Amino acid sequence: DIQMTQSPSSLSVAVGDRVTITCRASQSIGSYLNWYQQKPGKAPQVLIYAATSLRSGVPSRFSGSGSGTGFTLTISSLQPEDVATYYCQQTYSTPSITFGQGTRLEIK
Amino acid sequence: EVHLVESGGGLVKPGGSLRLSCVASGFTLSGAWMSWVRQTPEKGLEWVGHMKSKADGGTTDYAEFVKGRFTISRDDSKNTLYLQMNSLKNEDTAVYYCSTEGKYCSSPGCYWFDPWGQGTLVTVSS
Repeated sequence: DIQMTQSPSSLSVAVGDRVTITCRASQSIGSYLNWYQQKPGKAPQVLIYAATSLRSGVPSRFSGSGSGTGFTLTISSLQPEDVATYYCQQTYSTPSITFGQGTRLEIK
Repeated sequence: EVHLVESGGGLVKPGGSLRLSCVASGFTLSGAWMSWVRQTPEKGLEWVGHMKSKADGGTTDYAEFVKGRFTISRDDSKNTLYLQMNSLKNEDTAVYYCSTEGKYCSSPGCYWFDPWGQGTLVTVSS
């Protein structure tokens, strides 16, 4: 299985600050990388697909970059409603897709 | 509006069985590729298995850790997806979600999981 490693596992950031979350794949996955946001008690929702494409309806402060083995999710200016856990997901090895372990984001 | 609702979770003893249901509304289930994903605090999100659309053969694939124990099926008349879980183990304890695999391009890996249901909790314990 392709292992997905996220860092950090948690972070605390002030409102308005920039947030960067990293996801690394154990082998090259091209751009087959999605990012999800999961708020407490809710199911995950896709934010970014194909590593860099913003899902329709997702605020433009979210962006994704990277390809191959290294990927980044960036929130340009953190808002209170962004408190959530964020997951990366690779679909390169479909159907045996795998997720990162998650990054928990809190407000400082 | 597209909506998924899971049910059927509960407490079951090791070695026991349980059947989860996922009722779809707002779209025809047989026309979609559908996955089951589970979540635990220890292991996070794990793909369990999927069923392809009827047009693509309706075949299933499973994660190694459930092969031979779990079976995905579908009742088109009820627009419902099922996950039959047999020989349950303590480590199968999780919240189980059903989700639609949404394609964004023609390549096999071009998809995301959306929407998801609200999840149903399965607890395996003696």
